[in-house]
Amino acid sequence: EPEVTQTPSHQVTQMGQEVILRCVPISNHLYFYWYRQILGQKVEFLVSFYNNEISEKSEIFDDQFSVERPDGSNFTLKIRSTKLEDSAMYFCASTTYGGPYEQYFGPGTRLTVT
Amino acid sequence: AQRVTQPEKLLSVFKGAPVELKCNYSYSGSPELFWYVQYSRQRLQLLLRHISRESIKGFTADLNKGETSFHLKKPFAQEEDSAMYYCALSSSNAGNMLTFGGGTRLMVKP
Repeated sequence: EPEVTQTPSHQVTQMGQEVILRCVPISNHLYFYWYRQILGQKVEFLVSFYNNEISEKSEIFDDQFSVERPDGSNFTLKIRSTKLEDSAMYFCASTTYGGPYEQYFGPGTRLTVT
Repeated sequence: AQRVTQPEKLLSVFKGAPVELKCNYSYSGSPELFWYVQYSRQRLQLLLRHISRESIKGFTADLNKGETSFHLKKPFAQEEDSAMYYCALSSSNAGNMLTFGGGTRLMVKP
């Protein structure tokens, strides 16, 4: 069964550095999402992406964040200058259709900012 | 603004006991609600959604619009049900983003 994959599984970076988290959604999916979960807190929506553009973003997704689908398979989240509070688990998800359909989640990337 | 609340962080029951994981929501539109489950060291996966009215692994959930609730129930808990359970609401107005509750850890003791 196809799955969403994410790399790396764990990323450690220093404050102020740029990081790129990578996701490979399921191949026939059209809608892509990033969520994050700070330790001990809720899973929070960051951004949704469809047809090569952002369709919605949360207040968390400020100018330090960007997303890109550089080719037909990868979907990336870039944090330009990381802060300590960016330390979290980042989940990518994808789905075939818009609407209330199942979102398929990746295993997550644990980002630790020191 | 939409919000999902799961009042219990931890629910511990014995095998064979009934389980009810509570979920309340607030949303001005017509809600689409889901339960996601995360077993140990595994990814988040869909357990069930209210529009399909399915029973998965013996779990059911009924949307009660009057009480704005979507509680998850199972009559007889099994040890393999031990996991983290998240209630989530999908907003059709916002790219179908999911708003999650804080999650409830279910521990089923032998």
